[in-house]
Amino acid sequence: AQSVTQLDSQVPVFEEAPVELRCNYSSSVSVYLFWYVQYPNQGLQLLLKYLSGSTLVKGINGFEAEFNKSQTSFHLRKPSVHISDTAEYFCAVSTFSGGGADGLTFGKGTHLIIQP
Amino acid sequence: DADVTQTPRNRITKTGKRIMLECSQTKGHDRMYWYRQDPGLGLRLIYYSFDVKDINKGEISDGYSVSRQAQAKFSLSLESAIPNQTALYFCATSDSGGRSKRELFFGEGSRLTVL
Repeated sequence: AQSVTQLDSQVPVFEEAPVELRCNYSSSVSVYLFWYVQYPNQGLQLLLKYLSGSTLVKGINGFEAEFNKSQTSFHLRKPSVHISDTAEYFCAVSTFSGGGADGLTFGKGTHLIIQP
Repeated sequence: DADVTQTPRNRITKTGKRIMLECSQTKGHDRMYWYRQDPGLGLRLIYYSFDVKDINKGEISDGYSVSRQAQAKFSLSLESAIPNQTALYFCATSDSGGRSKRELFFGEGSRLTVL
């Protein structure tokens, strides 16, 4: 079974500063990795995903993430945040196994708070 | 119109009542899921369905049941609601084929309060 750990439940950052949201996963097989964002009172929408290929993945709204297999990490970064980036961010993992439980396993979320 | 629609969006009910949350999708996806979200716990999988005849329990299925009435419809029932089922519930879909097969598409959520 796989698991996801988001190391920070809350990250306060000043506007226009860089940010990194940390995500580590545990799995005995190869994985697909995702970051989702949830704005207040809304559902989740995909920011970016890693399926294969280049380990640096670029997503929407200027976010990017790097897959590090040796560190089992998939940290999310943005070089300059905006007040509109205030939201809950979820890291998620899915395995290649195909059998048994499907869907995604989510981390507990990181609340990104942008301070003016 | 949303691709994944959940009804109701908000519901307050009493302990012991039967509740049904409905989900319909226009994305043409074969797979559908129900998750619940609790503060500080992230999203946890309740049930998932790969097609109309395939229903599977997720991580936290106790106290819940589901029905896949058609490829586009997947409902979640609480036969006898209890207060610790107060949560935000999300329906999601995915496509088993193609590169997007692992990506989930979410509805806007159904907030359930059990008094």
